[in-house]
Amino acid sequence: QSALTQPPSASGSPGQSVTISCTGTSSDVGGYNYVSWYQQHPGKAPKLKIYEVSKRPSGVPDRFSGSKSGNTASLTVSGLQAEDEADYYCVSYAGSNNYVFGSGTKVTVL
Amino acid sequence: EVQLVESGGGLVQPGGSLRLSCAASGFTFSSFWMSWVRQAPGKGLEWVANIKQDGNEKYYVDSVRGRFTISRDNAENSLYLQMNSLRADDTAVYYCTRGTVVGATYWGQGTLVTVSS
Repeated sequence: QSALTQPPSASGSPGQSVTISCTGTSSDVGGYNYVSWYQQHPGKAPKLKIYEVSKRPSGVPDRFSGSKSGNTASLTVSGLQAEDEADYYCVSYAGSNNYVFGSGTKVTVL
Repeated sequence: EVQLVESGGGLVQPGGSLRLSCAASGFTFSSFWMSWVRQAPGKGLEWVANIKQDGNEKYYVDSVRGRFTISRDNAENSLYLQMNSLRADDTAVYYCTRGTVVGATYWGQGTLVTVSS
């Protein structure tokens, strides 16, 4: 199972929006509505930001939103803040009790 | 407060074995799937294995199947990962998570496994 494809980097100024893509296949992203997004700061454990494509866990601000079209899922972070600078990973259910993560995107707040 | 605390990492020679533990507290451990996720130094996340609430269903990524065994002790609120025939590419920080990786709101702090001679 190959990793889902994410851009290596993305950036935006404070207050702007940034959108990260996560491209898979019809066997993973396109086949199930089980796509999640994690934020990871250096040296820390990942934190769940989005699950089931577009749902936010309790406590996650609505600046974080998720969507999916075909085999590509997206995470948008609106109103960028300095604390949003981190690595972001998507993950999808891939059938047969398998899961595949994305390659990761480093978000820089300019 | 939900807590997951991994232990058991360390330096091991290629071909060796190691057993990781994850002590859970603050929730009803027996009610949740549990998973292991790893991250090689400077690399991305990789799902390793997960186990159903009663321990009767276990699933693995292809690269560890046959070498790693996930297990749990619901009486002790503990999750385990027995790792055999370790290889250099198993070097990583290993995290335990509550739930499957598509909905894991809680992660441990991770334990580092280094496979090197």
